[in-house]
Amino acid sequence: AQKITQTQPGMFVQEKEAVTLDCTYDTSDPSYGLFWYKQPSSGEMIFLIYQGSYDQQNATEGRYSLNFQKARKSANLVISASQLGDSAMYFCAMREGFYSSASKIIFGSGTRLSIRP
Amino acid sequence: DTEVTQTPKHLVMGMTNKKSLKCEQHMGHRAMYWYKQKAKKPPELMFVYSYEKLSINESVPSRFSPECPNSSLLNLHLHALQPEDSALYLCASSQDLVEVAGPTDTQYFGPGTRLTVL
Repeated sequence: AQKITQTQPGMFVQEKEAVTLDCTYDTSDPSYGLFWYKQPSSGEMIFLIYQGSYDQQNATEGRYSLNFQKARKSANLVISASQLGDSAMYFCAMREGFYSSASKIIFGSGTRLSIRP
Repeated sequence: DTEVTQTPKHLVMGMTNKKSLKCEQHMGHRAMYWYKQKAKKPPELMFVYSYEKLSINESVPSRFSPECPNSSLLNLHLHALQPEDSALYLCASSQDLVEVAGPTDTQYFGPGTRLTVL
């Protein structure tokens, strides 16, 4: 079974509109971390935002916010006031298995976001 | 500063060549990672080093040989590669492989090396 699911392979959004990128996850660990990364066509993976499983509040970083619904196991990324430079691939990722040194990040399949001028 | 550098940016090599990819970070991070990424796919973990020791090898073929000479440097030695090994190779680092969830788990990535094997 997939641990991280991103159901939107591609999205088109008008510039200045808000956009929500969906992510659901599956884990039985009580302690885990959720991440969103942006990958422009240049290839670099850019860290956007982090949410810990014990965090009471949704994480926010500038125009990025994470809509964390623990009971539903969803961690959607919200980008407010989208810009042309937001066009990129976006990956949701999860780190689990914190009780050993062999834990690792698992990535979703990604969502390609295209911003229309 | 969250910079991870990788050299070279592009590499073209034949199947009989030996080459190396280099990754460097000066953030004091103690965990470093190699990923392979094919086009339109998420990154796939290859190796993890923790405190300069190999912690995870994701059953990577022996033609890929990682090396961590010190806490700031990570190399990936390539030998007798196949055309299907052509991909973007990403290096990342994080503060530590901690036992409790926290933002210090965040992995910071370098710009990658685009490898083409002819």
